Amino acid sequence: QSALTQPASVSGSPGQSITISCTGTSSDVGSYNLVSWYQQHPGKAPKLMIYEVSKRPSGVSNRFSGSKSGNTASLTISGLQAEDEADYYCCSYAGTYYVFGTGTKVTVL
Amino acid sequence: QVQLQESGPGLVKPSGTLSLTCAVSGGSISSSNWWSWVRQPPGKGLEWIGEIYHSGSTNYNPSLKSRVTISVDKSKNQFSLKLSSVTAADTAVYYCTMVRGVILAFDIWGQGTMVTVSS
Repeated sequence: QSALTQPASVSGSPGQSITISCTGTSSDVGSYNLVSWYQQHPGKAPKLMIYEVSKRPSGVSNRFSGSKSGNTASLTISGLQAEDEADYYCCSYAGTYYVFGTGTKVTVL
Repeated sequence: QVQLQESGPGLVKPSGTLSLTCAVSGGSISSSNWWSWVRQPPGKGLEWIGEIYHSGSTNYNPSLKSRVTISVDKSKNQFSLKLSSVTAADTAVYYCTMVRGVILAFDIWGQGTMVTVSS
């Protein structure tokens, strides 16, 4: 049950779109449409941003969207804003356990 | 709105047992949700530890399974974590979370509590 693979860092200018990938295996991401994404600001608890691959909880901006193809899930942030600068983690259900991604630091230039 | 609050010792000696409790307010622990623990070592990523349902059913991270016990106390509306034989590698912020049963995502998080393993 290795961690899902994410790029260590992604950056973009305000207003741009960025995409964070999350690569797993056929035992986790590839087998379940139960990928979720979390945003974590420094010193704070993570916040659920996307669940079931592409659904947004109430209150989460529609600038955040998710998708999946095969063993790789993706989070896209459109219209990048300064407040989006944070760490992002993907997570996949894997049958009887959950596995998180390695995390991606998003920097707004 | 459900709120979660972790409590427990902030310092544990090596080879000892880490014990934390998560108090649930604003909702019942007997609802159709799972209750989970997640940890984050300083400067590192998130790691799922395990979860419990109000019935007592549990699931654990295979890599920690031999050392972890999660229990529930419905009378106190809380659940607990015990991690035995701790080492410095278990030093982390420990979060309790609610896994909303239908969507299987970590919907609500406690503020987290830092636990340091040191003599």
